[in-house]
Amino acid sequence: GQQVMQIPQYQHVQEGEDFTTYCNSSTTLSNIQWYKQRPGGHPVFLIQLVKSGEVKKQKRLTFQFGEAKKNSSLHITATQTTDVGTYFCAGRFTGGGNKLTFGTGTQLKVEL
Amino acid sequence: EADIYQTPRYLVIGTGKKITLECSQTMGHDKMYWYQQDPGMELHLIHYSYGVNSTEKGDLSSESTVSRIRTEHFPLTLESARPSHTSQYLCASSENTRGAVNEQFFGPGTRLTVL
Repeated sequence: GQQVMQIPQYQHVQEGEDFTTYCNSSTTLSNIQWYKQRPGGHPVFLIQLVKSGEVKKQKRLTFQFGEAKKNSSLHITATQTTDVGTYFCAGRFTGGGNKLTFGTGTQLKVEL
Repeated sequence: EADIYQTPRYLVIGTGKKITLECSQTMGHDKMYWYQQDPGMELHLIHYSYGVNSTEKGDLSSESTVSRIRTEHFPLTLESARPSHTSQYLCASSENTRGAVNEQFFGPGTRLTVL
């Protein structure tokens, strides 16, 4: 079946360090979304990438979509304690309607 | 803030009980979804609906059933709960607009424990 994997599964960083999570799909995606889930909370939409090679920035967050539309990454510059949570990518496959296949997630912990 | 609600937030019940998890949204979204998520793990789609009287099973096999009689309401029912059903259940909704982002808005979730 269609799968979306993320690495790493966990990441502990010191505040101020950078963080990157990588998302890989078994097949080509029509688009990809990123969500953040705080501990004890529910996923909240961050961004959507549609075009091959697309790069989008939101303050300290940089999102990339691979040229083949099979992988994506989220990079956080100078992490803060407010960045703590689990980051999920979620891909839409061609012909899959509006269904999202969520990645395995990367849990980020930020220490002072 | 998204207008999507789930009740109850927490539920502890015994094996064999029938339960219904409620989900309502006031955004007029056509598409609604149920996900199952174990602590710290990924979300698994168990049911979805593209509109009234439309329901489909998701990618993860589930013994639950859903109904969509009204646009705003998408309840999930377990006829006979078992300990293996212990998990968090998240409801979500999205628009169905061609060319739009169609992000999913999530409810706060129901944490179900079956003893």
